[in-house]
Amino acid sequence: QKEVEQNSGPLSVPEGAIASLNCTYSDRVSQSFFWYRQYSGKSPELIMSIYSNGDKEDGRFTAQLNKASQYVSLLIRDSQPSDSATYLCAVNRDNYGQNFVFGPGTRLSVLP
Amino acid sequence: KAGVTQTPRYLIKTRGQQVTLSCSPISGHRSVSWYQQTPGQGLQFLFEYFSETQRNKGNFPGRFSGRQFSNSRSEMNVSTLELGDSALYLCASSSGTYTEAFFGQGTRLTVV
Repeated sequence: QKEVEQNSGPLSVPEGAIASLNCTYSDRVSQSFFWYRQYSGKSPELIMSIYSNGDKEDGRFTAQLNKASQYVSLLIRDSQPSDSATYLCAVNRDNYGQNFVFGPGTRLSVLP
Repeated sequence: KAGVTQTPRYLIKTRGQQVTLSCSPISGHRSVSWYQQTPGQGLQFLFEYFSETQRNKGNFPGRFSGRQFSNSRSEMNVSTLELGDSALYLCASSSGTYTEAFFGQGTRLTVV
């Protein structure tokens, strides 16, 4: 079992719809979780961080964390063509420093 | 506020050579992490430096090394280059413990 898994893509949604991206992780002691967006040929860009169980909203983005189920998700409301990118889930293995494990990514396509 | 700066952006090296990559973190950030990204393996953690000390290390051979200077700038060195070292090398900076990491634009290394 890989440490961080994401729903396989590509995921295609129509413009204006909700895109749902899922991530599961295996290390129960992980405390911090992140979603990054990566456009083709570019470096990852941080979208959201989440540390506590529940929902965290930032504009059109909502991250959800359930530590008991070892599950993190990202919802993108009112999806736009500019949201088309690969979304990477990252889990920090170290509670004191930086030791991120990244999932393989989910490619999202928002169709006009 | 300036972002994370990596130099050079592109490099072509020959097998057996060695290479040094540089990363200047966001002003005030004391943690610098390095990652390797390849199409086959995705984003993989190399190591993290904090206050000039290596705090975390990934599962890469000893040919990969790094250091951090008193101004938090970091360098990564790869010796005896192999074809499989061709990748996008990313550095990420964070303010310290348990916090978000911001990536630079990366250095694309090609080994021929």
